[in-house]
Amino acid sequence: DQQVKQNSPSLSVQEGRISILNCDYTNSMFDYFLWYKKYPAEGPTFLISISSIKDKNEDGRFTVFLNKSAKHLSLHIVPSQPGDSAVYFCAASGLWGQGAQKLVFGQGTRLTINP
Amino acid sequence: DVKVTQSSRYLVKRTGEKVFLECVQDMDHENMFWYRQDPGLGLRLIYFSYDVKMKEKGDIPEGYSVSREKKERFSLILESASTNQTSMYLCASSWGREPSYEQYFGPGTRLTVT
Repeated sequence: DQQVKQNSPSLSVQEGRISILNCDYTNSMFDYFLWYKKYPAEGPTFLISISSIKDKNEDGRFTVFLNKSAKHLSLHIVPSQPGDSAVYFCAASGLWGQGAQKLVFGQGTRLTINP
Repeated sequence: DVKVTQSSRYLVKRTGEKVFLECVQDMDHENMFWYRQDPGLGLRLIYFSYDVKMKEKGDIPEGYSVSREKKERFSLILESASTNQTSMYLCASSWGREPSYEQYFGPGTRLTVT
């Protein structure tokens, strides 16, 4: 039962263009969403997040959009740079276990930026 | 700057061995987590701890146990390693308070069981 899904395993984008990574979720109890970036042989690093009370959050070249009615979020990277090549994980939170927030992760999308 | 460290970057063990993976965080975080990452499956939660000596099963706890004797340290134990436990293991920690649920990850341990 995959509650958070990233249906595109990979994405290839030209340098300077827009990269759009998508994520769908099934549980309407999720109230906070995060994007993580992961380089090979490193742990994931936090990129950007959005609360369910918002529909957009922007941080420099990165913007996350949330469509609650569609249970869909997307990450836009503009302009894309070669250093953005990595695996991107979408994560959702709101499921409490004994007082600790748990994150539920998607499968990841490998983004490749071509020069 | 939050730092989460893991005892080994690469580990090779034999089937049936007992394996200990250690994780230490330096930010006084209440919560600590162990995940495994496998291709096409993303990060899956094995166990987490919300306080010293407290633990809760995640989504795939079978074959694993954990120990948290001190706030900064969270250990993952494979009682009898099997080949299907070959994976990348990631430790994370978090404050556990709203509004941010951000978790900070260590560099990971690539475990191979032969």
